[in-house]
Amino acid sequence: LAKTTQPISMDSYEGQEVNITCSHNNIATNDYITWYQQFPSQGPRFIIQGYKTKVTNEVASLFIPADRKSSTLSLPRVSLSDTAVYYCLVGDMLSGTYKYIFGTGTRLKVLA
Amino acid sequence: NAGVTQTPKFQVLKTGQSMTLQCAQDMNHEYMSWYRQDPGMGLRLIHYSVGAGITDQGEVPNGYNVSRSTTEDFPLRLLSAAPSQTSVYFCASTQGSPYEQYFGPGTRLTVT
Repeated sequence: LAKTTQPISMDSYEGQEVNITCSHNNIATNDYITWYQQFPSQGPRFIIQGYKTKVTNEVASLFIPADRKSSTLSLPRVSLSDTAVYYCLVGDMLSGTYKYIFGTGTRLKVLA
Repeated sequence: NAGVTQTPKFQVLKTGQSMTLQCAQDMNHEYMSWYRQDPGMGLRLIHYSVGAGITDQGEVPNGYNVSRSTTEDFPLRLLSAAPSQTSVYFCASTQGSPYEQYFGPGTRLTVT
């Protein structure tokens, strides 16, 4: 299984763009990269998923370089409500790998 | 469509007691899983199931049993509770996209 490494914590101010980078040096050819958000006392919530290049949805963008050994979650113009823990996961259920690991995540604190 | 539901929300057990945490989903998802989350930590996979009648171990399976007799339900049994099992337990399900898991609200378990 591909292991991921993320910064433990980050601080930002309201209105700024926040970029959280995840390293996954041993990512496999078929692996997807997925990000989740977790608020205190709640289960994680899916944010975005990608395989290569760039993916954008109404919440975030995901940038994946050509070698796919890292990925960057970009949150535009964060607000106080974006304070949460963000997890990066890699793996591919379709190849039979379902034991994907959450890791410790990145604790983002948005300041007023 | 209730999504993923978990009962109970809170539970206090004495060491050595047994109990079952309930998880149900109404999205006809094949894949279901149980995670535990200790304070300030990430999620760790306990057991998972890729369909009715099929279960397998995750990262931390010791002390827990699961079964999957129907697509909808995936109960987690604690055979003989220990203080080390004090944690928040999350159930999740998914179908289709490899990593778009839907999480339940969690069960907060305290073992004294």
